[in-house]
Amino acid sequence: EVQLVESGGGLVQPGGSLRLSCAASGFTFSSYRMNWVRQAPGKGLEWLSYISSSSSTIYYADSVKGRFTISRDNAKNSLYLQLSSLRAEDTAVYYCARDLEFCSSATCYGRGSFDYWGQGTLVTVSS
Amino acid sequence: QSALTQPASVSGSPGQSITISCTGTSSDVGGYDYVSWYQHHPGKAPKLMIFDVRNRPSGVSNRFSGSKSGNTASLTISGLQAEDEADYYCSSYTRSSTRVFGTGTKVTVL
Repeated sequence: EVQLVESGGGLVQPGGSLRLSCAASGFTFSSYRMNWVRQAPGKGLEWLSYISSSSSTIYYADSVKGRFTISRDNAKNSLYLQLSSLRAEDTAVYYCARDLEFCSSATCYGRGSFDYWGQGTLVTVSS
Repeated sequence: QSALTQPASVSGSPGQSITISCTGTSSDVGGYDYVSWYQHHPGKAPKLMIFDVRNRPSGVSNRFSGSKSGNTASLTISGLQAEDEADYYCSSYTRSSTRVFGTGTKVTVL
């Protein structure tokens, strides 16, 4: 069974930093691209970042570029998101999500889709 | 990276069909057949319902169907059931290789 379990959330002051983790199990983590998505209170889902299976390709949303850093450790089956220069508007539940994309005979399917999600970890930025 | 536009709410009676729209631009929805839809019950993990505009993952009811015309994608739920009451989000791959979600639609079963 595929499982994604986030941890590391909590209360942090504005300008502070936090490192989120996502522990993966039930699948070959090193073969899958991964993402982080968040949902602020009363708001919709917001895609934050993508990392390829080998960490060679990384993308960020403009809203977090330069402040957040995605990384992974395939040996530990873990995904990370380093949050820095935090603002009140970064208060949200942060989810890790597995990328569905698979390719066959030069045709790719599921690009940009997320087939498994964790339950999320809450980050609260407040003084 | 502006969010895709969805109606804030859609409602229907049990057994009816409803359609949720998702409007983007030629740089996202209109440019690729990589639109997906998610069902989100508050406090739970979002669930993938449709990928690549119209494909259902294994285990998703065939009451859920997707389509696209130009810059607008749509999710139709037929035979509406009480358990379909949730928030629904579309998402698209973009020209800059990022992803973007829709603003979200609250579905109410009357």
